[in-house]
Amino acid sequence: NAGVTQTPKFRVLKTGQSMTLLCAQDMNHEYMYWYRQDPGMGLRLIHYSVGEGTTAKGEVPDGYNVSRLKKQNFLLGLESAAPSQTSVYFCASSRRDSLGTGELFFGEGSRLTVL
Amino acid sequence: TQLLEQSPQFLSIQEGENLTVYCNSSSVFSSLQWYRQEPGEGPVLLVTVVTGGEVKKLKRLTFQFGDARKDSSLHITAAQPGDTGLYLCAGGNYGGSQGNLIFGKGTKLSVKP
Repeated sequence: NAGVTQTPKFRVLKTGQSMTLLCAQDMNHEYMYWYRQDPGMGLRLIHYSVGEGTTAKGEVPDGYNVSRLKKQNFLLGLESAAPSQTSVYFCASSRRDSLGTGELFFGEGSRLTVL
Repeated sequence: TQLLEQSPQFLSIQEGENLTVYCNSSSVFSSLQWYRQEPGEGPVLLVTVVTGGEVKKLKRLTFQFGDARKDSSLHITAAQPGDTGLYLCAGGNYGGSQGNLIFGKGTKLSVKP
């Protein structure tokens, strides 16, 4: 019962370095999302995808890029990491649902520290 | 811009007490979800409510969606240490993908034995 798997779980970067977070889901979900969670800020949507080959910006997209080349994978990239990107990142997936009632299935999170 | 305000932000109670947390907005949502997040884990869905005035019960947890679909509450009866966690509400809208789901900032609940 893998569900949504994120790698890596922890990472420390220096300012200016680049990295990619990988999210994989095995539920055949159409939609996938990347959120960041900061103390007192709740979950904020970075980017999302409604299908293979498509991506869209969320609430806080600056400094991040994403790609969805395969339906089961959603990659989040930081081209030049900044201390403000220190956060816990969550990937989520959901089935196609135009009613806005679909359940989000979350990964366990990836804790990123930028020094 | 739609916003969801959750209150209280923090709540620390003793085992056996009752509590209510609130999720309020000036905007109408077509659905309201509640998630619970335990430390080091991702959020997990507890319930979805879609009808104004709807009440759903999940063991000791009671969820209510306001008549005008602008607010929701979560009531826990006889809280237990296992209820400890961050409770998040999230509002959704018809016609949008889940990219339109709006999350509140959460209520952090601590239940002491």
